[in-house]
Amino acid sequence: QSVLTQPPSVSGAPGQTVIISCTGNSSNIGAGYDVHWHQHLPGTAPKALIHGNNNRPSGVPERFSASKSGTSASLAISGLRAEDEANYYCQSYDSSLSDSVFGGGTQLTVL
Amino acid sequence: EVQLVQSGAEVKKPGESLKISCQGSGYRFTAYWIAWVRQMPGAGLDWMGTIYPGDSDTRYSPSFQGHVTISVDPSTNTAYLRWSSLKASDTAFYYCARVNFGDYGLDRWGQGTLVTVSS
Repeated sequence: QSVLTQPPSVSGAPGQTVIISCTGNSSNIGAGYDVHWHQHLPGTAPKALIHGNNNRPSGVPERFSASKSGTSASLAISGLRAEDEANYYCQSYDSSLSDSVFGGGTQLTVL
Repeated sequence: EVQLVQSGAEVKKPGESLKISCQGSGYRFTAYWIAWVRQMPGAGLDWMGTIYPGDSDTRYSPSFQGHVTISVDPSTNTAYLRWSSLKASDTAFYYCARVNFGDYGLDRWGQGTLVTVSS
């Protein structure tokens, strides 16, 4: 059970916007630590999507954006495409664990 | 281009030892922490630990301390993950990744190494 909680699954039709939440506590997101997001298709290398709360590495489409507020963060994917179907993980640092942690992951299905 | 290339899939028996590798290229290997991440079958990502190739400073997640050894050879730009005695529960994909942002933000991942432990 991760200290960062994500919904197990979300879905949306092509062109729609989906939002994936990542809920932490006062030892991680709420303490001000950065939240990062990764996209992962099983059997392939994960891909860094967002770092430092809302910064996209070069090559990541503007359709991907993120935000953070209080003890939670969220990843928004607009203009959904079939190729966005993957697992998404949030990542942050937890001071009580003195360790980096991942959320449990959210499987995105494009209907 | 920054790349992390991992060694190939392994099939081992319980009790055997194993060392897998992660070779970096396209950047100054000794200047960035390398993290190791586990993904068990059907599960999410687990943070295992990190190593700084510049001075071999190593930090383990409590869940993995004592069960794996993380090491590095700066002369070959390679980080390693080693088990002295594998268990069936070690069956998983293992990924290395480069730490490039604050609070352990990762920017590049290796392609993963599948380790299967079965009698």
